[in-house]
Amino acid sequence: SQTIHQWPATLVQPVGSPLSLECTVEGTSNPNLYWYRQAAGRGLQLLFYSVGIGQISSEVPQNLSASRPQDRQFILSSKKLLLSDSGFYLCAWTDHRPDTEAFFGQGTRLTVV
Amino acid sequence: AQKVTQAQTEISVVEKEDVTLDCVYETRDTTYYLFWYKQPPSGELVFLIRRNSFDEQNEISGRYSWNFQKSTSSFNFTITASQVVDSAVYFCALSDTGRRALTFGSGTRLQVQP
Repeated sequence: SQTIHQWPATLVQPVGSPLSLECTVEGTSNPNLYWYRQAAGRGLQLLFYSVGIGQISSEVPQNLSASRPQDRQFILSSKKLLLSDSGFYLCAWTDHRPDTEAFFGQGTRLTVV
Repeated sequence: AQKVTQAQTEISVVEKEDVTLDCVYETRDTTYYLFWYKQPPSGELVFLIRRNSFDEQNEISGRYSWNFQKSTSSFNFTITASQVVDSAVYFCALSDTGRRALTFGSGTRLQVQP
C-alpha cells in the first residue's frame, strides 16, 4: 500500500534562517506531488505542485521554493524565513487518474519567531 | 478561477443529532471532482468522500451521506447520529482535471457534545 511521510512534525525557526521540509511517498511511482499551507484558522492554500522529476509549478509568489530531486521526494525550502511563513504545511500526492483523491502527510507545524 | 465556500464556520451539536455541512462551489470546468476531508486535532487530512461532476447520484456510506446538486453548485455532507469522535474541522474541496490540485473551502469546525 502507499504511504506518505513528512518531517519534521514541528519546527520553530528564527526569522532569517533557512528551511527544508521533506516529503517522500512509498508504494507508487510517478505520483503528482503537492505542497499546501494552512494559516492559523484558515483553509488550505496550494503552494507548489509537481507532475514529475524536476517539474515544479508555483501557485503563489512567496518566499518559498520547491524541488523534486527524485521521483517520490518533494522538498520545500526557504533561504530566509519570514514571520508570515508560519503555518501548517501539508504534503500530498495523487496518481494520474483524474477521479482519485489526494492523500496527505501528517503535516509540519512551522513557527517562525 | 475555482472557488469553494463553506458558510458555516462552526457548528455545535449534541451526540446522536444529525448534522449537515454546506458547501457551494464555483468552476468553469465541465468536468471536475468534489471531495470532503476531515481534519482531526492531530492535523492530518483524512479523505471521506468523492463525487464526479457527471454523477449526481447521491449515496450513503455508513453514517455519511452527501447531496450533490449541480443546478445549485452545492455538495452538502451529512453525518447521521453524530458521535464525539466526529468532532473535527471538515473541508470541502474541488479538483480540476488538469493540475489535479485541490481548491479548499475555509472549513467548518464541528463540535459534538456528549
